[in-house]
Amino acid sequence: KAGVTQTPRYLIKTRGQQVTLSCSPISGHRSVSWYQQTPGQGLQFLFEYFSETQRNKGNFPGRFSGRQFSNSRSEMNVSTLELGDSALYLCASSLELAKHDTQYFGPGTRLTVL
Amino acid sequence: AQSVTQLDSQVPVFEEAPVELRCNYSSSVSVYLFWYVQYPNQGLQLLLKYLSGSTLVKGINGFEAEFNKSQTSFHLRKPSVHISDTAEYFCAVSEAGGFKTIFGAGTRLFVKA
Repeated sequence: KAGVTQTPRYLIKTRGQQVTLSCSPISGHRSVSWYQQTPGQGLQFLFEYFSETQRNKGNFPGRFSGRQFSNSRSEMNVSTLELGDSALYLCASSLELAKHDTQYFGPGTRLTVL
Repeated sequence: AQSVTQLDSQVPVFEEAPVELRCNYSSSVSVYLFWYVQYPNQGLQLLLKYLSGSTLVKGINGFEAEFNKSQTSFHLRKPSVHISDTAEYFCAVSEAGGFKTIFGAGTRLFVKA
């Protein structure tokens, strides 16, 4: 079974631009969570989607948004990029997060904002 | 709100020595606990999880962890480490019925020959 895939793997943007990251979960998984990983803050929860509905959101500004499609693929968008948005963005999928099924992580998208 | 504290940011240890990575959590409700490992340039991989039942949980790669409710701890142990165990280890907690997982800051395990 194919694992979680994230595209692109690397991205370089400049301040003020916007970016869209994509995550394809493991086949059959309906829950997708997004995390931001930085050396200073560690892993911070961004949001979780299940069946196209956002069920929870972390403490991030409104510039961070996401969505999930009917095939469970998910995208996150960051608008008006800031230098501090440089990070590794990780996506994780599970059958049903609320039942504490195992989360499977993708390799991440490394975003650099110049 | 739940939180997770990993007490050591870095743990250097010699090959074949035992290791313990410490994790404490706080929550006002029932929790589920996890340990993940992250190798360089990779995503996270689940080592083990505690949902209920026996407080001693065995995971992959010879790791185990013990849930201690009175001390709100979930320390990870391995009796004999290998060079290949060098990685970053994350403790995580989620609350019963919750829709998010909170991660600790991570502990970098460095195994020396």
